[in-house]
Amino acid sequence: NAGVTQTPKFQVLKTGQSMTLQCAQDMNHEYMSWYRQDPGMGLRLIHYSVGAGITDQGEVPNGYNVSRSTTEDFPLRLLSAAPSQTSVYFCASSYEGRYTDTQYFGPGTRLTVL
Amino acid sequence: DQQVKQNSPSLSVQEGRISILNCDYTNSMFDYFLWYKKYPAEGPTFLISISSIKDKNEDGRFTVFLNKSAKHLSLHIVPSQPGDSAVYFCATHTGNQFYFGTGTSLTVIP
Repeated sequence: NAGVTQTPKFQVLKTGQSMTLQCAQDMNHEYMSWYRQDPGMGLRLIHYSVGAGITDQGEVPNGYNVSRSTTEDFPLRLLSAAPSQTSVYFCASSYEGRYTDTQYFGPGTRLTVL
Repeated sequence: DQQVKQNSPSLSVQEGRISILNCDYTNSMFDYFLWYKKYPAEGPTFLISISSIKDKNEDGRFTVFLNKSAKHLSLHIVPSQPGDSAVYFCATHTGNQFYFGTGTSLTVIP
């Protein structure tokens, strides 16, 4: 049971490049989410999904796309990276997304956009 | 606007003493609060939670207090241990969306 895994751990992009941050969980959780952590800003919700085929926007969705074709995977796509997207990105999952469900976080991806 | 605020970016405490981490929130309709702990280069892990129908929840060395009239919650760690050194986030939710504070970095000095 690997929990929540994220790849890559580190990534450097140039402005305008695209990339996909991968997130997978093996706990059969319905709810998955993406956060970014910036100094002085805490963790902010980017997008979330309550099940395969269902996604919704969080606090800071601009510049990011998501899809959820399987229960296990929830990739985050940056279509045209900008320096403002330099951050640490965390993926999380929980059983059904009820507020009482414990969220399990991945180890994070540190992204730098030059 | 921050839905939850942690006004102390850092806190240092001697081993064995009490650590008190504070969090304020903006909306009196919030009904559930959580604390997460984060070590460097790791994701946050759930620590303890409290429902708005309670004013205290205890789990071992960790106790969370909720003061609804002041829209304030606090996390008490007694006794503090060096392994407690981490960043602590308070969080709340609206439906499926969770809001996190900016975090307080706790250092427990041996």
